[in-house]
Amino acid sequence: DAGVTQSPTHLIKTRGQQVTLRCSPKSGHDTVSWYQQALGQGPQFIFQYYEEEERQRGNFPDRFSGHQFPNYSSELNVNALLLGDSALYLCASSLGGTSRFYEQFFGPGTRLTVL
Amino acid sequence: GNSVTQMEGPVTLSEEAFLTINCTYTATGYPSLFWYVQYPGEGLQLLLKATKADDKGSNKGFEATYRKETTSFHLEKGSVQVSDSAVYFCALPSAGGYQKVTFGIGTKLQVIP
Repeated sequence: DAGVTQSPTHLIKTRGQQVTLRCSPKSGHDTVSWYQQALGQGPQFIFQYYEEEERQRGNFPDRFSGHQFPNYSSELNVNALLLGDSALYLCASSLGGTSRFYEQFFGPGTRLTVL
Repeated sequence: GNSVTQMEGPVTLSEEAFLTINCTYTATGYPSLFWYVQYPGEGLQLLLKATKADDKGSNKGFEATYRKETTSFHLEKGSVQVSDSAVYFCALPSAGGYQKVTFGIGTKLQVIP
């Protein structure tokens, strides 16, 4: 059973460009969350997708957007890249019910460098 | 909202030394508590968890006890190894019924032979 997978592993972009990161959740999971981890910091929640809709959002600008597909995989899009967007982007999958908290399983991350 | 405060590192220990990494939390109710580990160049792995007060989570020789009296969830290991060198994050789910996790700043542990 494959765990959470993310692509690409590394990415280098220049300021102003746009980037798309991809995530496939663990088998059986229907919810995908995205986190940004700047160097030396803990992961910060960007947003979460459930049933193909954004269900919750952290304190990130509209330049950060996402999508979830019917097979539960997800994309994170960042427009107009800034130097400060350089970070490790982590995807986590889980079950999506709201009656209790379900453990999140993290992928290996995508390292984005903005020059 | 829910939050965690975690001791900052780095922590440098000799092999076989005793490890404690402090974590305190602020939360509505009694949520589950977690310790995640991040090895160099990798993503996050769940190390251990505790789902209610007085529970002890344990894994790979690491332990943490959920103490509601002191709102703490300190991570301990009796004898660290070089392979334990990593960054450790204390974490808890957000309030409100959604699947969001709030992380501490992380504590880098370096174990030297």
